Amino acid sequence: KQEVTQIPAALSVPEGENLVLNCSFTDSAIYNLQWFRQDPGKGLTSLLLIQSSQREQTSGRLNASLDKSSGRSTLYIAASQPGDSATYLCAVFRDTGKLIFGQGTTLQVKP
Amino acid sequence: NAGVMQNPRHLVRRRGQEARLRCSPMKGHSHVYWYRQLPEEGLKFMVYLQKENIIDESGMPKERFSAEFPKEGPSILRIQQVVRGDSAAYFCASSRRTSGSIDTQYFGPGTRLTVL
Repeated sequence: KQEVTQIPAALSVPEGENLVLNCSFTDSAIYNLQWFRQDPGKGLTSLLLIQSSQREQTSGRLNASLDKSSGRSTLYIAASQPGDSATYLCAVFRDTGKLIFGQGTTLQVKP
Repeated sequence: NAGVMQNPRHLVRRRGQEARLRCSPMKGHSHVYWYRQLPEEGLKFMVYLQKENIIDESGMPKERFSAEFPKEGPSILRIQQVVRGDSAAYFCASSRRTSGSIDTQYFGPGTRLTVL
């Protein structure tokens, strides 16, 4: 059974810091991995999708890496801003198409 | 191109009533997924539908819950005889799901169900 774990559960950093969010999964037979952002009381916004054949994806200040063999992904946020404060979720796809989510990391960036 | 639309955004029901949650996928998307987010918990997959077909309902509770995605109109998640434990945020996602690939899922804003 696929399980997805995110560490840490919560993180508070001063503005401007670079930070890393971690995601691990137990079954390496995934099709791809997706990182989302969720603001309080809102829906999910897709940030990055990494295909299983890829090692990383970049979008602006965000960089996500994927190591299938070790069952790990990281989301790197450069030069964090208060507007980055949100909950970050990682989710893995199996061939059934359903997403299996981690519990999320709640990030607070202090001005 | 409008995103995934869900309505209502907030729904209050008393125990024993029925709840109907609607989801209109993005234009050109024929695959719909429902997820539930219980308070202080992560999102859990419930059901995956294509037009007129249920593909995977492994996450649906066995009783009181049903889902459909008719040929015309939105996808409906129906909860009969609601109980307090059904209080949660219900999210719908849609994808284009081109043949032979797993496509990005785009999420709606969710319906927040409160059972009194």
